[in-house]
Amino acid sequence: AQSVTQLGSHVSVSEGALVLLRCNYSSSVPPYLFWYVQYPNQGLQLLLKYTSAATLVKGINGFEAEFKKSETSFHLTKPSAHMSDAAEYFCAVSADAGGTSYGKLTFGQGTILTVHP
Amino acid sequence: EAQVTQNPRYLITVTGKKLTVTCSQNMNHEYMSWYRQDPGLGLRQIYYSMNVEVTDKGDVPEGYKVSRKEKRNFPLILESPSPNQTSLYFCASSSTANTEAFFGQGTRLTVV
Repeated sequence: AQSVTQLGSHVSVSEGALVLLRCNYSSSVPPYLFWYVQYPNQGLQLLLKYTSAATLVKGINGFEAEFKKSETSFHLTKPSAHMSDAAEYFCAVSADAGGTSYGKLTFGQGTILTVHP
Repeated sequence: EAQVTQNPRYLITVTGKKLTVTCSQNMNHEYMSWYRQDPGLGLRQIYYSMNVEVTDKGDVPEGYKVSRKEKRNFPLILESPSPNQTSLYFCASSSTANTEAFFGQGTRLTVV
């Protein structure tokens, strides 16, 4: 079984400040981890993904995330927030349990990021 | 352009009136899924399909049906909609189980 917990349903930062969105996962097998972003009235767009290569993953729009197995975490960061980063962010896990994978993504509850001028 | 297309984008219906939400992808993907998004709950998988004629239940399948007669299409059917199915629905596809999932624009369904 797999699960994802995102700490903080709402995060508010000032423009230019560090963005940190937290994600912890649970998986019985090595996971694949994803961050998606959802802008208002739009579908989900992939920000970045971890697939067992480098533990520090760089994504689009200046975001990056670090896979820490010992902490079962995959936190999303951006050094300097921009107004256009305001959106809802979802962490998701997919795990291939002995070849029975079927494309299922298990999502966290989502974190709404607000950026103040 | 690679995309997943859902229709309609918005739908208001009455309890008990059968409806279908269509989903089509042009990337020749094997895997397709339906999710519903509710505030504070994230996205939850309703049904998924690994290939033509192969479908299975996700986490919240009650009240929904799907079919996969062609690789590109994966419609979601609500035989007798109820108000608790009011939600935002997303279709997604991916080439393999653990690659990027591409999402449609969503269908906002209201059942009154």
